[in-house]
Amino acid sequence: GIQVEQSPPDLILQEGANSTLRCNFSDSVNNLQWFHQNPWGQLINLFYIPSGTKQNGRLSATTVATERYSLLYISSSQTTDSGVYFCAVEGFNKFYFGSGTKLNVKP
Amino acid sequence: SQTIHQWPATLVQPVGSPLSLECTVEGTSNPNLYWYRQAAGRGLQLLFYSVGIGQISSEVPQNLSASRPQDRQFILSSKKLLLSDSGFYLCAWSTRRSGNTIYFGEGSWLTVV
Repeated sequence: GIQVEQSPPDLILQEGANSTLRCNFSDSVNNLQWFHQNPWGQLINLFYIPSGTKQNGRLSATTVATERYSLLYISSSQTTDSGVYFCAVEGFNKFYFGSGTKLNVKP
Repeated sequence: SQTIHQWPATLVQPVGSPLSLECTVEGTSNPNLYWYRQAAGRGLQLLFYSVGIGQISSEVPQNLSASRPQDRQFILSSKKLLLSDSGFYLCAWSTRRSGNTIYFGEGSWLTVV
């Protein structure tokens, strides 16, 4: 299968700080998604981004498919941004997930 | 719009008892369906996926089985639960075309005691 690695595994921020989360993958993929898992376990789709750059409010994401990585940027972080962020790639009709970045934003 | 529901939301079961988690998708047809498990709050492990009625692929040999009796229904089962089956189970769906997006249900918390 496709290997997906996320870094850092854990991140602690002060409210208002910016951060960058990274996702590396081992093979060519058909798409890439970023998710936020809230404290209740719900996985929220943030971005569908097989390539290029997208922005949604304080969040933006960039995928460089030729170099097999994606970045998620969080600006002016808020306590509600806390949770686990996953990237997932699709290949061979299946979705492969990284192990996540656990973000804790402190007030 | 498409929706996905799974139930029950929480379950506490004794070791050796059976299990049945159910998932249904509405608003789409011929979806790909998936069961994932998340242990200790990190990492999603793909357990089963299905591209059609009666077609089940297992990713990890284990104590669980899956069935797809109808196009938009996916069931996760066990005849005898083990303590190690505890975890957070997520059902998901995607369209069949390449480059598609995956969407998750609300999840089911299973505690085996």
